[in-house]
Amino acid sequence: QVQMVQSGAEVKKPGASVRVSCQASGYTFTTYDINWVRQAPGQGLEWLGWMSPNTGNTGYAQNFQGRVTMTRSTSISTAYMELSSLRSEDTAVYYCARDGFGGSGAFDLWGQGTMITVSS
Amino acid sequence: QAVLTQPSSLSASPGASASLTCTLRSGVNVATNNVYWYQQKTGSPPQWLLRYKSDSDKQQGSGVPSRFSGSKDASANAAILLISGLQSEDEADYYCMIWHSSTWVFGGGTKLTVL
Repeated sequence: QVQMVQSGAEVKKPGASVRVSCQASGYTFTTYDINWVRQAPGQGLEWLGWMSPNTGNTGYAQNFQGRVTMTRSTSISTAYMELSSLRSEDTAVYYCARDGFGGSGAFDLWGQGTMITVSS
Repeated sequence: QAVLTQPSSLSASPGASASLTCTLRSGVNVATNNVYWYQQKTGSPPQWLLRYKSDSDKQQGSGVPSRFSGSKDASANAAILLISGLQSEDEADYYCMIWHSSTWVFGGGTKLTVL
């Protein structure tokens, strides 16, 4: 079964960091880039960046430069997104999404989402 | 001004057609952009529907019904998602997206109500 399974919900304090994992299965992990998108409660979608599981190359949205790091472990077909210096505005559901066509915006497979709550 | 602007809500009747617009900011040319459309139902991740650049350069998501289609209105600098033969299951939020300044940018989304 082709799927992406993300880690569970977390509650973090302001200033802390969080790492979300996204494990792919049912396809060759290194073939497709992975993007990360978040959605604050009741709000729209916001793109954080992308990573090539094959090369490890990354590209981050300017809004998150310096705070976000995307990595992977090819041995376990897992991508990671770490966000640091958390603030209340980072409270959101974080999604990983596969780029189905290479450098495109066709995110054809999504994880179930991970709720990150930032609260003191 | 946002790069992509979508109306916040739209209502339509079952069996009718709905046109969801995505207006690009002045200076961002709809003609040269691939526009991606996503559907998101409550409590679920988004689903990619289609990509539209022109009638000769477009792509439908796997399993997405042909009653979902894309177009552009160059005079309005806007992309359009047309949903024909509306069904109750089409009730969802719809987002457009383009690549702009090295970033994937989403519109604010349109909540489509089918009633």
